[in-house]
Amino acid sequence: DAGVTQSPTHLIKTRGQQVTLRCSPKSGHDTVSWYQQALGQGPQFIFQYYEEEERQRGNFPDRFSGHQFPNYSSELNVNALLLGDSALYLCASSSRMTRGQETQYFGPGTRLLVL
Amino acid sequence: QQQVKQSPQSLIVQKGGISIINCAYENTAFDYFPWYQQFPGKGPALLIAIRPDVSEKKEGRFTISFNKSAKQFSLHIMDSQPGDSATYFCAANGGWTGGGNKLTFGTGTQLKVEL
Repeated sequence: DAGVTQSPTHLIKTRGQQVTLRCSPKSGHDTVSWYQQALGQGPQFIFQYYEEEERQRGNFPDRFSGHQFPNYSSELNVNALLLGDSALYLCASSSRMTRGQETQYFGPGTRLLVL
Repeated sequence: QQQVKQSPQSLIVQKGGISIINCAYENTAFDYFPWYQQFPGKGPALLIAIRPDVSEKKEGRFTISFNKSAKQFSLHIMDSQPGDSATYFCAANGGWTGGGNKLTFGTGTQLKVEL
């Protein structure tokens, strides 16, 4: 049973560019949450998707957007990249069948470096 | 506003000793408290989680102690091993009725277990 997978593993971009990160949830999971983890800090919630819609959003600008596909996989898009967007981007999956969807399992992350 | 405070920032323990990490929260709507372990370059891995209706939960060498009135919870790692050396994050989630189904993380504790 594959866990949460993310691609790519590493990415280097320059300021002003756009980036797309991808996530496939664990088998049987239908909810995907995205987090940003700056170096030496805890993950910060970006947003959450289920039923192909954004359901919850953290304190991130509109430059951060996402999408969920019918197979539950998800994309995170970041436009007009800033140096401060350099971080580890984590995808977490969960199931709406569990109480309150609290149990979230994380993927290995995508390391984004903005130069 | 940081809603989950974690201490200490770093911890050095001798092999076979007990590692203790503490967290305190502010939002009384939180009702699910997981701990995650993260190795360098990897995503956080769920260790153990607790709800406020119990005061303690044990899984192997890992124990969560929970004090609802004080709004504090802690992770105890018994018989600490060098392989436990990692960064540990506490987190809290209020679910859909408690502010949204998103994890709020502490700032992390870097644990080193020495031989």
